[in-house]
Amino acid sequence: EAEVAQSPRYKITEKSQAVAFWCDPISGHATLYWYRQILGQGPELLVQFQDESVVDDSQLPKDRFSAERLKGVDSTLKIQPAELGDSAMYLCASSQTPGGYEQYFGPGTRLTVT
Amino acid sequence: TQLLEQSPQFLSIQEGENLTVYCNSSSVFSSLQWYRQEPGEGPVLLVTVVTGGEVKKLKRLTFQFGDARKDSSLHITAAQPGDTGLYLCAGSSWTNAGKSTFGDGTTLTVKP
Repeated sequence: EAEVAQSPRYKITEKSQAVAFWCDPISGHATLYWYRQILGQGPELLVQFQDESVVDDSQLPKDRFSAERLKGVDSTLKIQPAELGDSAMYLCASSQTPGGYEQYFGPGTRLTVT
Repeated sequence: TQLLEQSPQFLSIQEGENLTVYCNSSSVFSSLQWYRQEPGEGPVLLVTVVTGGEVKKLKRLTFQFGDARKDSSLHITAAQPGDTGLYLCAGSSWTNAGKSTFGDGTTLTVKP
């Protein structure tokens, strides 16, 4: 069964350092999402791509976060500099059709900022 | 802003008991999804409901979408320890460019 791949699974970094997460969606899925999930809360959308274009990045803290999906396939989310409050689970999801109906999530990257 | 409220926040029951969790909003959704998430993992899609009043069954799980498409419920019959996890609902709407909004989930613990 096709799955969304994410790496790394766990990342510990010191504040003010740069960190990057990678996601490879299910083959053929044009829509890709990055979410942040704080413990005890539901996922919060950071950015949504349709192919290589950003559809929604209204909740992305653009002073420190950036995301790209250059060839419309895999994607990278970067944080620079990391802050203590960035500690969370970062989830990548993909869907075959735009509009967020059925999303398939990867295993996530657990980020701890010290 | 479309908000989804899930209740209860936490639920702890014994194996074999039945339970219902709820997902409510003041907004109308074109579709609603239920996911289950285990600790340290990503959410796994369980079901999508799109029609008001729709009922879907997945083994011991029964999902219902409200007639007005503003709320949904998940009923589990004869819960098992393997049902333990965080149950999330997510709604999307054409009026919000199809963007999904997630609730904060119900954490279910089923004790053997």
